[in-house]
Amino acid sequence: EDQVTQSPEALRLQEGESSSLNCSYTVSGLRGLFWYRQDPGKGPEFLFTLYSAGEEKEKERLKATLTKKESFLHITAPKPEDSATYLCAVPFSSSGYSTLTFGKGTMLLVSP
Amino acid sequence: ETGVTQTPRHLVMGMTNKKSLKCEQHLGHNAMYWYKQSAKKPLELMFVYSLEERVENNSVPSRFSPECPNSSHLFLHLHTLQPEDSALYLCASSQVEQGAFEQYFGPGTRLTVT
Repeated sequence: EDQVTQSPEALRLQEGESSSLNCSYTVSGLRGLFWYRQDPGKGPEFLFTLYSAGEEKEKERLKATLTKKESFLHITAPKPEDSATYLCAVPFSSSGYSTLTFGKGTMLLVSP
Repeated sequence: ETGVTQTPRHLVMGMTNKKSLKCEQHLGHNAMYWYKQSAKKPLELMFVYSLEERVENNSVPSRFSPECPNSSHLFLHLHTLQPEDSALYLCASSQVEQGAFEQYFGPGTRLTVT
């Protein structure tokens, strides 16, 4: 059973065309939701942590929001340099030790 | 730079070779992780070391052998790998405290098994 599901799998935008990425989760007792950005051939880069429903965080053209069942990553007036795969993750414990469970990611391509 | 380095960045090895991947973190963290990333799959957690003790081993084949000599260094020893083991291998670190799960990743080692 997937604990973290991201949609869409891929998204193509024109420069300046705002949109949102979705991350839904089924973990109970959420202890944080994490967003990462990953460029091709590189390791994921930490972006945000959200802890409670209603919380929002912003960084440049990105804004992350959280509800009780999902998180959105809003991208306002994107630029080509925002092209990357965006990953979300939640803490999950399967053997008494909690670590992050990642979604498959949304591959974003912003065309000039 | 995230403070986590990995070497080598690229590795091509035959199925009978033995090689090792190295990870070093300069963030003062006390937990380190190995992940495997294959195309169109989520990051797969392989091993976790917390305070230099292995606390997670996600049913990884024995041809992968981790080693954590201290809190700053992590190795992944590879032997008799299969072509399906070709992937990006990522190392990460974090500070294990109550409620803190942020992990910081290295650039990865792109492994190709021929």
